[in-house]
Amino acid sequence: GENVEQHPSTLSVQEGDSAVIKCTYSDSASNYFPWYKQELGKRPQLIIDIRSNVGEKKDQRIAVTLNKTAKHFSLHITETQPEDSAVYFCAASIPGGGADGLTFGKGTHLIIQP
Amino acid sequence: DAGITQSPRHKVTETGTPVTLRCHQTENHRYMYWYRQDPGHGLRLIHYSYGVKDTDKGEVSDGYSVSRSKTEDFLLTLESATSSQTSVYFCAISGTSGSSSTDTQYFGPGTRLTVL
Repeated sequence: GENVEQHPSTLSVQEGDSAVIKCTYSDSASNYFPWYKQELGKRPQLIIDIRSNVGEKKDQRIAVTLNKTAKHFSLHITETQPEDSAVYFCAASIPGGGADGLTFGKGTHLIIQP
Repeated sequence: DAGITQSPRHKVTETGTPVTLRCHQTENHRYMYWYRQDPGHGLRLIHYSYGVKDTDKGEVSDGYSVSRSKTEDFLLTLESATSSQTSVYFCAISGTSGSSSTDTQYFGPGTRLTVL
């Protein structure tokens, strides 16, 4: 089955700096890669996603890049702010079956230092 | 938050008892999923549904069963709860009727289950 590796597990950056979180996946048939943000005690919230026919997608301070050949994708957050502090999860769609469940990475705890 | 509710939100139960968690949606989305979240493991897929009475197993389905008798409700049952099933359980939905399953998944608020 699909396996997703996520690094780093913890990332501390100064407010205003950029943060980059990286993920790799194993199944070349995966075609959908969302990123979720989860605050303590809350549900995961989608922040951006990318499909396999696109190499990059941007939404204001957040961008995602996808390299299908290398089977890795990354989340980039620029001009970080205190409210960006949270746990971030990458995920990849699970090919086959009647519905595309997701395989998640183990998460990155992003800490924004004032 | 995409019209998804879960009940109960918190539950404490004893080993060996059956437990049923409910996910209810008002969005008429075709696909529904159950995940569990544990420290150090992220979220893991338990079971999913691609229509009424159509369900299949996910990555960690042992000890769990599901049912979907109508579009809006997806039930997760722990047949005989064990301490290893202590976790936070999230339901997710995706895809309007007839759409591709590779679509945004929206998560419910979660159920915190403790098995003593």
